[in-house]
Amino acid sequence: GAGVSQTPSNKVTEKGKYVELRCDPISGHTALYWYRQSLGQGPEFLIYFQGTGAADDSGLPNDRFFAVRPEGSVSTLKIQRTERGDSAVYLCASSLNGWGHREAFFGQGTRLTVV
Amino acid sequence: KQEVTQIPAALSVPEGENLVLNCSFTDSAIYNLQWFRQDPGKGLTSLLLIQSSQREQTSGRLNASLDKSSGRSTLYIAASQPGDSATYLCAVIPRGRNRDDKIIFGKGTRLHILP
Repeated sequence: GAGVSQTPSNKVTEKGKYVELRCDPISGHTALYWYRQSLGQGPEFLIYFQGTGAADDSGLPNDRFFAVRPEGSVSTLKIQRTERGDSAVYLCASSLNGWGHREAFFGQGTRLTVV
Repeated sequence: KQEVTQIPAALSVPEGENLVLNCSFTDSAIYNLQWFRQDPGKGLTSLLLIQSSQREQTSGRLNASLDKSSGRSTLYIAASQPGDSATYLCAVIPRGRNRDDKIIFGKGTRLHILP
């Protein structure tokens, strides 16, 4: 596609429920990143994929958060037993072969609200 | 630990003025620095990417400079317009031994151009 696509754009869920957030990166981009942004804050790193593997998952806050990228393209961020503190905008970005070398492009984000 | 600071946190200026947004980072070992724009409720739009070996990049009315040794970057916006109103985010890629693709963001500068 022309850009990074994230679905859904908005998600409201009840506390304790399971949610999945999807990211379609730019075609051909091997690097994919997930970030979380709270109101008034800069994006906070969650996880980085190079191809199918998670090269760095040190930003995942706890074991309720998990992300996959089984075919090296689309990625899904999964959150179990959601809590109100998980409410934020979840941003996905992709880069041709790693941000250290190439520009990164962001999607429009998924606004998650846990009630 | 790499930290990115942006000053000021918010800025309001009359239309037509030239302005400078500041970004500082604590560790000069970086791969590159990227400036983004974020409109309310939206994702991030890349403005300029400066490689660590470069001193500046220009795109239209925007000019970004990088002084790696002093840990500073500036984003210069010429002849500001109301459409420039947004949050501007600075981000660096630390040059680490194994985790060099974890980008670190500042909290952003909220810019308001008064018509």
